Amino acid sequence: KAGVTQTPRYLIKTRGQQVTLSCSPISGHRSVSWYQQTPGQGLQFLFEYFSETQRNKGNFPGRFSGRQFSNSRSEMNVSTLELGDSALYLCASSRSFTGTAYSYEQYFGPGTRLTVT
Amino acid sequence: TQLLEQSPQFLSIQEGENLTVYCNSSSVFSSLQWYRQEPGEGPVLLVTVVTGGEVKKLKRLTFQFGDARKDSSLHITAAQPGDTGLYLCAGRKNYGGSQGNLIFGKGTKLSVKP
Repeated sequence: KAGVTQTPRYLIKTRGQQVTLSCSPISGHRSVSWYQQTPGQGLQFLFEYFSETQRNKGNFPGRFSGRQFSNSRSEMNVSTLELGDSALYLCASSRSFTGTAYSYEQYFGPGTRLTVT
Repeated sequence: TQLLEQSPQFLSIQEGENLTVYCNSSSVFSSLQWYRQEPGEGPVLLVTVVTGGEVKKLKRLTFQFGDARKDSSLHITAAQPGDTGLYLCAGRKNYGGSQGNLIFGKGTKLSVKP
C-alpha cells in the first residue's frame, strides 16, 4: 500500500507570496492532519480534516487555511508569506476521526520543506 | 506551556548501551503514541498505547504507559547506530466524547555511536 505523498518536496518563496501544498493520504484513509515543524517549536498542529470538514484547528493565524476534497486528498494554503513561515510542513493521514485509538493512528508523509526569503 | 515534556532533549551514547526516554504531562491522555523521525523525513509511528499501565515491546524497544495515563517511557536495550533519530511522543485528549488533535512533545534527539 502506498504511503502518504506530499508535493512539492521543496519550495522556495519570497515574503508576501502565497503557497499551496498538496497531500494524498493512504488509500482508504479519510482523515488528514497538517503540522508545521521548526527546530525551535517542534511539531505544531495546524488543522485536521475528516470527510471534507475541518474537525480541529490549531492556534495559527488566518493566513493558514486548508481544505479536503471528496477523494480525501487535502491542500493547505499560506497567504502573505513571512520569514517565520519557513518550516517543514507535514501531512498525516489516519483511517478515521473516531472509534478506537488505533483507527486514528497517524501516518506521516515526507513533508514539504518551505523556505521563505 | 508545553503539554508534553520529553526528557532528555539530547542523548549521545555508545553502541550496546541501554537508555530510557521519558514523556511527562500533568494532563490525562486517552492514548499516546511514539514516533521516530530521521532528518528530512516524516515521523514514523512505532507504537500506540491506550491502557494505563500498558507495556508493549517492539524488538529491543519497550514502551510503557503510566497507570494514570499522564506519562510514558521508551526503553531501548543494547542500542545500535540504526536507532539514531528524533524520538517523539504524542498524545490525544478526550473532550467529552470528541477526540482532540494529536499533541506532540518536542522530542529526544538520540545519537548512537559505533
